[in-house]
Amino acid sequence: NAGVTQTPKFRILKIGQSMTLQCTQDMNHNYMYWYRQDPGMGLKLIYYSVGAGITDKGEVPNGYNVSRSTTEDFPLRLELAAPSQTSVYFCASSYSSVPSEQYFGPGTRLTVT
Amino acid sequence: DQQVKQNSPSLSVQEGRISILNCDYTNSMFDYFLWYKKYPAEGPTFLISISSIKDKNEDGRFTVFLNKSAKHLSLHIVPSQPGDSAVYFCAPRGRGSTLGRLYFGRGTQLTVWP
Repeated sequence: NAGVTQTPKFRILKIGQSMTLQCTQDMNHNYMYWYRQDPGMGLKLIYYSVGAGITDKGEVPNGYNVSRSTTEDFPLRLELAAPSQTSVYFCASSYSSVPSEQYFGPGTRLTVT
Repeated sequence: DQQVKQNSPSLSVQEGRISILNCDYTNSMFDYFLWYKKYPAEGPTFLISISSIKDKNEDGRFTVFLNKSAKHLSLHIVPSQPGDSAVYFCAPRGRGSTLGRLYFGRGTQLTVWP
């Protein structure tokens, strides 16, 4: 199993550009999450999904959109990139809502200039 | 508004000695407290947890202590090893959360030197 994979690993965007961060898991997990980690800070939940076709907002959803058309994939969309979105983005998945079972991807480092 | 505080951004310990990482919280509604470990260029991985109804949980070299009256928990690593060098996040869970939502602290960078 590859676990949770994220692409790209690094990306530089100009202000106003858009992009999609990809996340795929091969563990048949129902729950998937997107977090962001700003420098010197803890992780904050952006969006989550409890199954295909079901998504909901986390703590910091503004400026982002998600979709969950399959169990495996949970892409995160940035429509109009802003410098405040410079961060490291982590995707995670779990079979249940038990947080100790969350498996994280390696992260995507995004810089918006 | 920080509900979870890890006031020491870094800790340096000699190999074989004890490492103590601290975490303070303000929300009395947390029901589980988790510790995650993170190496550079990797995502966090789960390390150990403790329920709010307990005051101690041990797993090999790792022990977590919970003091609910002080809203304080600590992670003890004995003996510390160079491979333990990583960032450690305290992450409590909100009570009754069907999502299992976690609230992460800022992390403490642990360095274990030979």
